[in-house]
Amino acid sequence: EAAVTQSPRNKVAVTGGKVTLSCNQTNNHNNMYWYRQDTGHGLRLIHYSYGAGSTEKGDIPDGYKASRPSQENFSLILELATPSQTSVYFCASGDSQNSGNTLYFGEGSRLIVV
Amino acid sequence: AQSVTQPDARVTVSEGASLQLRCKYSYSATPYLFWYVQYPRQGLQLLLKYYSGDPVVQGVNSFEAEFSKSNSSFHLQKASVHWSDSAVYFCALSPLSSNTNKVVFGTGTRLQVLP
Repeated sequence: EAAVTQSPRNKVAVTGGKVTLSCNQTNNHNNMYWYRQDTGHGLRLIHYSYGAGSTEKGDIPDGYKASRPSQENFSLILELATPSQTSVYFCASGDSQNSGNTLYFGEGSRLIVV
Repeated sequence: AQSVTQPDARVTVSEGASLQLRCKYSYSATPYLFWYVQYPRQGLQLLLKYYSGDPVVQGVNSFEAEFSKSNSSFHLQKASVHWSDSAVYFCALSPLSSNTNKVVFGTGTRLQVLP
């Protein structure tokens, strides 16, 4: 069964609205990541976490917040969604101790902001 | 800061031909290096990874990659491609230093295999 699960898989939001993307992993990995994927940009790191209670800014954190309430869950929050945040978002988990930080990805959350 | 460059946005080859997808990295030491593949409407999956030892690493589905410290490169190769290899391929780097677990990706190379 899928070890990294994202929800919702598809979302249409209005400009200025709040959006929460959720991610759950059953790999027991310490590290979790949120990326967005856009044509021509590949995957860009938004936020990541070393463990429960920690969040770190990635390369493009502006307009996003993250929350890691437990080992298993890592959320990405858009407080005031904008059309420029229309994208596909991927969550991943990784274990730098045992697998060289190999990442295991969810299937993505497609967000459209209108 | 670390970075990964994949200079070819698209590559088209015929089925049965050999393949090389290029990846150059920038980092002050030897990092972990990865190749991932993404099939349509799916997440990324690991093909292979390198940290130390033999510079040629074998991965799934007969893919291999060669690390070159002098060229700061980690090119992906396959001797004979199949139509099912059509996908987007990403090169990635993880510094694994004591103060960061960032994993940085290149922009990807879309591979089209013609029958």
